[in-house]
Amino acid sequence: GIQVEQSPPDLILQEGANSTLRCNFSDSVNNLQWFHQNPWGQLINLFYIPSGTKQNGRLSATTVATERYSLLYISSSQTTDSGVYFCAVERGFGNEKLTFGTGTRLTIIP
Amino acid sequence: DGGITQSPKYLFRKEGQNVTLSCEQNLNHDAMYWYRQDPGQGLRLIYYSQIVNDFQKGDIAEGYSVSREKKESFPLTVTSAQKNPTAFYLCASKGRLLSTDTQYFGPGTRLTVL
Repeated sequence: GIQVEQSPPDLILQEGANSTLRCNFSDSVNNLQWFHQNPWGQLINLFYIPSGTKQNGRLSATTVATERYSLLYISSSQTTDSGVYFCAVERGFGNEKLTFGTGTRLTIIP
Repeated sequence: DGGITQSPKYLFRKEGQNVTLSCEQNLNHDAMYWYRQDPGQGLRLIYYSQIVNDFQKGDIAEGYSVSREKKESFPLTVTSAQKNPTAFYLCASKGRLLSTDTQYFGPGTRLTVL
């Protein structure tokens, strides 16, 4: 099956810093999503981004489908950004399963 | 409010007992999914259903069973055959069959087997 790798596994930053999270995947995909899992376990959709660039406030994401990677950018980090960020991909075209990476745990220190 | 609800939030069971986790959605979504998350790990797919009265095994289906009798509901039963059932269980749904819509997740159920 498709492999999804995320880096770095852990990231500790001071409030106000910027960060870049990376997601590499091993095959072509029809769907790529970024999620934030808060400390209570709730998964929040951040972006649906199989290709291109999207921005939402302090967050933006870029997927380069031909090179099989996606980047999540967080600017001016706040303590509420802490949690685990997951990338998940779906092959599509009848294979309707999301495959998750192991996540990046982000800790923002006041 | 539209969304996905899971109950209960926390569940404790004795070893050897079957337990059923509830997942309900009022988003009119066709597809529903069950995932398992272990500490420090990503999510792994247990079962999924793309339409009522039909479901498929995911990557770790052994020891679990599901039903999809109604579009809104996709309960998961953790049977005594599941060797290590203590985990965080997440239910999700997606809009259209064979679409590239996003998956939306419920708040999860933490199951602890004593």
